[in-house]
Amino acid sequence: SQTIHQWPATLVQPVGSPLSLECTVEGTSNPNLYWYRQAAGRGLQLLFYSVGIGQISSEVPQNLSASRPQDRQFILSSKKLLLSDSGFYLCAWSVSVGQPQHFGDGTRLSIL
Amino acid sequence: AQSVTQLGSHVSVSEGALVLLRCNYSSSVPPYLFWYVQYPNQGLQLLLKYTTGATLVKGINGFEAEFKKSETSFHLTKPSAHMSDAAEYFCAVRGSGGGADGLTFGKGTHLIIQP
Repeated sequence: SQTIHQWPATLVQPVGSPLSLECTVEGTSNPNLYWYRQAAGRGLQLLFYSVGIGQISSEVPQNLSASRPQDRQFILSSKKLLLSDSGFYLCAWSVSVGQPQHFGDGTRLSIL
Repeated sequence: AQSVTQLGSHVSVSEGALVLLRCNYSSSVPPYLFWYVQYPNQGLQLLLKYTTGATLVKGINGFEAEFKKSETSFHLTKPSAHMSDAAEYFCAVRGSGGGADGLTFGKGTHLIIQP
């Protein structure tokens, strides 16, 4: 069966520090991969999606970037974190377009 | 472009009572619709989905939803609420016109179950 892993589960970082959140999927090949952010009291906002290695699409301009160095690995990064980057970050995957997305357990990021 | 509106950021029902969570959507193409549930500090779990075919779809944990095209709605129901149903519920839509873009979510409805 397919599984998705995100780490770390929680992270506290100072303003201006770098960020790297990792997501890996097991049990499937060439999945579509997604990064979402959930801010307090809001719904989920799509940040990035990827249909293949090295293929990244950004949905909103921001202080973050994403990379897909391997088929089942999706990384969310920042060179310098802002206070506004705080939130709950969720990685998801789907088999193909139109199929349900399956979510990881998320990373809660707090910026001090 | 797609959008989702969930009426009521908080819904409170008594244990054993009917659960009704409302979702209206807009989509320029025939939509694919989803309901997800989120427990505190966890990711989202798929409850049910509508893509094509039967408009009444059954999901996990006794939930079901009905796609009504004329009303652009996809309301989530459960005949009898349990304490374990207390969670955040999200309605989501994606267009079926192709592309790998992600889901558009509503802002969520927090379901409170009163004993």
